[in-house]
Amino acid sequence: KNQVEQSPQSLIILEGKNCTLQCNYTVSPFSNLRWYKQDTGRGPVSLTIMTFSENTKSNGRYTATLDADTKQSSLHITASQLSDSASYICVVSDITGGGNKLTFGTGTQLKVEL
Amino acid sequence: DAGVTQSPTHLIKTRGQQVTLRCSPKSGHDTVSWYQQALGQGPQFIFQYYEEEERQRGNFPDRFSGHQFPNYSSELNVNALLLGDSALYLCASSLLRGSSYEQYFGPGTRLTVT
Repeated sequence: KNQVEQSPQSLIILEGKNCTLQCNYTVSPFSNLRWYKQDTGRGPVSLTIMTFSENTKSNGRYTATLDADTKQSSLHITASQLSDSASYICVVSDITGGGNKLTFGTGTQLKVEL
Repeated sequence: DAGVTQSPTHLIKTRGQQVTLRCSPKSGHDTVSWYQQALGQGPQFIFQYYEEEERQRGNFPDRFSGHQFPNYSSELNVNALLLGDSALYLCASSLLRGSSYEQYFGPGTRLTVT
């Protein structure tokens, strides 16, 4: 069964600090891995997408890494801002359905405080 | 360029009733996927529509049905509502044979069953 596990479940950090979120997956055959940011009650917004051959991708203050051998990914947020408070969801796609069949993690709830 | 839109934003129904949720995909997209997201959980895949047909289906009962129209918009129907159907329902659109694997999510419809 395809699964995506994220840690920690929740995290509180001070504004300006860095943090790293983790994602382990067992999805096979692997197509791509995505990180989404979801504000409460809103739809997820894509941060990064990485395919098998990519091991790092940045989007502003967000940097995602992928180790396809160990099936692990991380999302690093630098110089956090209050607006970074949200749920961060790791999503892995298998290759069936043209890479459109997604398995979602339960998310890491990040809160940035003053 | 309009993104993914969903209607209504919020909905309150009574147990046993039926509900229809609507989604308009991002311009140029031909595939619509529906997800159910319970509070504090990651989205769960319901089904995906392409060329007006259901391509893939997640582990949801037949009470959940859908439709895609020639203009690629889609409806999600849920019959005989249960209290457990209360959730945020997300629609995501994509291009089935696109190379970016990107899925764009709508803002969601919050369904409350009482």
